Amino acid sequence: DTEVTQTPKHLVMGMTNKKSLKCEQHMGHRAMYWYKQKAKKPPELMFVYSYEKLSINESVPSRFSPECPNSSLLNLHLHALQPEDSALYLCASSLTQRSTEKLFFGSGTQLSVL
Amino acid sequence: GIQVEQSPPDLILQEGANSTLRCNFSDSVNNLQWFHQNPWGQLINLFYIPSGTKQNGRLSATTVATERYSLLYISSSQTTDSGVYFCAVLNYLEGSRLTFGEGTQLTVNP
Repeated sequence: DTEVTQTPKHLVMGMTNKKSLKCEQHMGHRAMYWYKQKAKKPPELMFVYSYEKLSINESVPSRFSPECPNSSLLNLHLHALQPEDSALYLCASSLTQRSTEKLFFGSGTQLSVL
Repeated sequence: GIQVEQSPPDLILQEGANSTLRCNFSDSVNNLQWFHQNPWGQLINLFYIPSGTKQNGRLSATTVATERYSLLYISSSQTTDSGVYFCAVLNYLEGSRLTFGEGTQLTVNP
């Protein structure tokens, strides 16, 4: 199983809503990532978890709150988002956070903030 | 930080044609990956290739680390090859952050 599963595939939310994005992998990977991608641009790193601990936060606004409940699951909690936060949110995983690892992506959540 | 340049930015082919995509990078790397993002947004890892040559079906990749470039070859292209191809590199001195190029948008027409 070389799959990273993300839910939901699409999400529309208002600026006052609270929602969560979910990501799951069963490859035994111990590093998990959240990326944000705007149309026609490459993915931008947001957060990295290594062995269920937050190891990188790329100065992401606090309205985005990551959580790693266990080694297979990664959540991204959303609250009071702005329209400019509309984007494709991608989860990824790798065996470890070592610099030589291969990255596997989920299919993403297309988020629209109204 | 490390700079990544991909060329061409856009490429339009007829089905059956061959193509070469290029990725130049500004510093030594110990990780280089090629990804294909299909029109539905799914990013597929094609190759992990910090040096040398690999082949997978109609696709192959070569990285010449000493000259700081990598090439992705697509032979006998099919409409399903359409999408954006990203090169991403990592220099271990910059931690675990992959740096992505801007991508090559490939369109294969029937």
